[in-house]
Amino acid sequence: QQPVQSPQAVILREGEDAVINCSSSKALYSVHWYRQKHGEAPVFLMILLKGGEQKGHEKISASFNEKKQQSSLYLTASQLSYSGTYFCGTGNQFYFGTGTSLTVIP
Amino acid sequence: EAQVTQNPRYLITVTGKKLTVTCSQNMNHEYMSWYRQDPGLGLRQIYYSMNVEVTDKGDVPEGYKVSRKEKRNFPLILESPSPNQTSLYFCASSFASNYEQYFGPGTRLTVT
Repeated sequence: QQPVQSPQAVILREGEDAVINCSSSKALYSVHWYRQKHGEAPVFLMILLKGGEQKGHEKISASFNEKKQQSSLYLTASQLSYSGTYFCGTGNQFYFGTGTSLTVIP
Repeated sequence: EAQVTQNPRYLITVTGKKLTVTCSQNMNHEYMSWYRQDPGLGLRQIYYSMNVEVTDKGDVPEGYKVSRKEKRNFPLILESPSPNQTSLYFCASSFASNYEQYFGPGTRLTVT
């Protein structure tokens, strides 16, 4: 029931783009995205509520396709501060995804 | 300042000694939840509460108890801790289910 994320890990140079995917075997009615830096608590990024909805947060945006039970997080022109582990999540009984470790290097 | 507080932040205890980790929020949130985070397993929900006196099991509730007698507090109780409960624990709250969750700073528990 835990959403599966891909890739598991990615290393980027500053300014490069990345896509993180989240896929569920169960119907998705909404998707949350969080970022967790090492040694800290997860921090909310955004929620997507409707099929095909896209939202943006600075240079981070996301899409949600409820028919495919998938969501994708897009990071453009990555900055050093984007480093961390990204989690998708869903449900009243909340399930976090498997996580994607993203490292941005100079 | 809007926040979720947890205490203690660090705890080392022995097998079988009952303990309580407190969680409090000052945002008048309806929904509160406990998670544990383990390397390679990610964040897993232990229990959640949709409102006062309403609690439900999450994905990994075995060995834990919770109570929600007041809206602001949601303590996590380990009646008889075991070494496999060594983990990093997070409390979180949100306005309602399916709203953004605000996390506490975490409690690192070691059971020997």
